[in-house]
Amino acid sequence: NAGVTQTPKFRVLKTGQSMTLLCAQDMNHEYMYWYRQDPGMGLRLIHYSVGEGTTAKGEVPDGYNVSRLKKQNFLLGLESAAPSQTSVYFCASTLTGGAGNTIYFGEGSWLTVV
Amino acid sequence: KQEVTQIPAALSVPEGENLVLNCSFTDSAIYNLQWFRQDPGKGLTSLLLIQSSQREQTSGRLNASLDKSSGRSTLYIAASQPGDSATYLCAVKTGGFKTIFGAGTRLFVKA
Repeated sequence: NAGVTQTPKFRVLKTGQSMTLLCAQDMNHEYMYWYRQDPGMGLRLIHYSVGEGTTAKGEVPDGYNVSRLKKQNFLLGLESAAPSQTSVYFCASTLTGGAGNTIYFGEGSWLTVV
Repeated sequence: KQEVTQIPAALSVPEGENLVLNCSFTDSAIYNLQWFRQDPGKGLTSLLLIQSSQREQTSGRLNASLDKSSGRSTLYIAASQPGDSATYLCAVKTGGFKTIFGAGTRLFVKA
């Protein structure tokens, strides 16, 4: 009964380093999302995917790339980390894009860029 | 542009009190509204989802209402308990694939 799993949970990066966050869901959901959460700002959508092999930009995509090679996995990459990317990152999924679909979230990944 | 606002940002109540959390949104053209709970250091857990054609949803001690015409939703928590302490977020699904989140209300229920 894993749901949405994110790895790693915590990471400290130096400015300019690269890393990848992995999201895996076992609910056979078509849609997957990456959000970032910053204090007092709510969640903001970075990138999303509507199915295997597809990706699209969200509200704040700059500095990030994503890939969805397998339906169950959605990867978020930071090519050259900046202090402004210090945040909590959440992966989420929905069965489809319909109005009746509940959003399921992972536990979050805390990233600090120094 | 859709904006979602939750007031107050923080709320402290004694155990047993009935309480209401508020969520307002600027554009009534929504597909659904969801209420989430977030515990410290954890992800968001969906509590209730109200589709645009619905007026309210109930789950246990929780009741959420939706008034699209006024751009408002309320989450009613009956007989609050210390275990209800968490941050509550509302989110509206708009056109395309966008879901806009409020910043949340941090609730503390005192024993």
